[in-house]
Amino acid sequence: AQTVTQSQPEMSVQEAETVTLSCTYDTSESDYYLFWYKQPPSRQMILVIRQEAYKQQNATENRFSVNFQKAAKSFSLKISDSQLGDAAMYFCAYRAPQGGSEKLVFGKGTKLTVNP
Amino acid sequence: EAEVAQSPRYKITEKSQAVAFWCDPISGHATLYWYRQILGQGPELLVQFQDESVVDDSQLPKDRFSAERLKGVDSTLKIQPAELGDSAMYLCASSLLRGPSEQFFGPGTRLTVL
Repeated sequence: AQTVTQSQPEMSVQEAETVTLSCTYDTSESDYYLFWYKQPPSRQMILVIRQEAYKQQNATENRFSVNFQKAAKSFSLKISDSQLGDAAMYFCAYRAPQGGSEKLVFGKGTKLTVNP
Repeated sequence: EAEVAQSPRYKITEKSQAVAFWCDPISGHATLYWYRQILGQGPELLVQFQDESVVDDSQLPKDRFSAERLKGVDSTLKIQPAELGDSAMYLCASSLLRGPSEQFFGPGTRLTVL
């Protein structure tokens, strides 16, 4: 079974600085999808960024970028120019390739605190 | 902006009672998911619907949990009887299509079983 591990239960960053959240996963598949979701306090979970495993280029969305290392099964999230609104729980998630299970397998999350 | 709606937002019940949660997905989204998120954990899928049909309910405790999506639009998740270990956030998500389409999440229902 696929597993997702987030080894940092909590992280903190100063406003305007850069922070990297770590995620590793385990799968025997060669094609799959990886996601980072943000869950602000008392608000719904929203998608931050996604990566298709067949794409070598790392995904980028504004201040958010990933470092996808397929061989190492690593998928870290970098947040640049951190803002107070970035404070939230961040979940890394895995999805099997097309035709396989469609459920998202989540890690336990990393709580990010942004200090002013 | 279209959002997934869930109600109630909070529910407190006593063990052995029945509870029900409601989810209204984004209009036009054919795929609907129910996840359970225990405090300190990531969400885990309970059941997935494609229109009115169940696609995956392998992790649904069928002795006490049931889910339906009769007309392929809104959905209800029921627990009967509730147990202390059922205390969790119950999240509903929907996506336009099956496959790697983005899943949009609702605000969740926080269940506390006393």
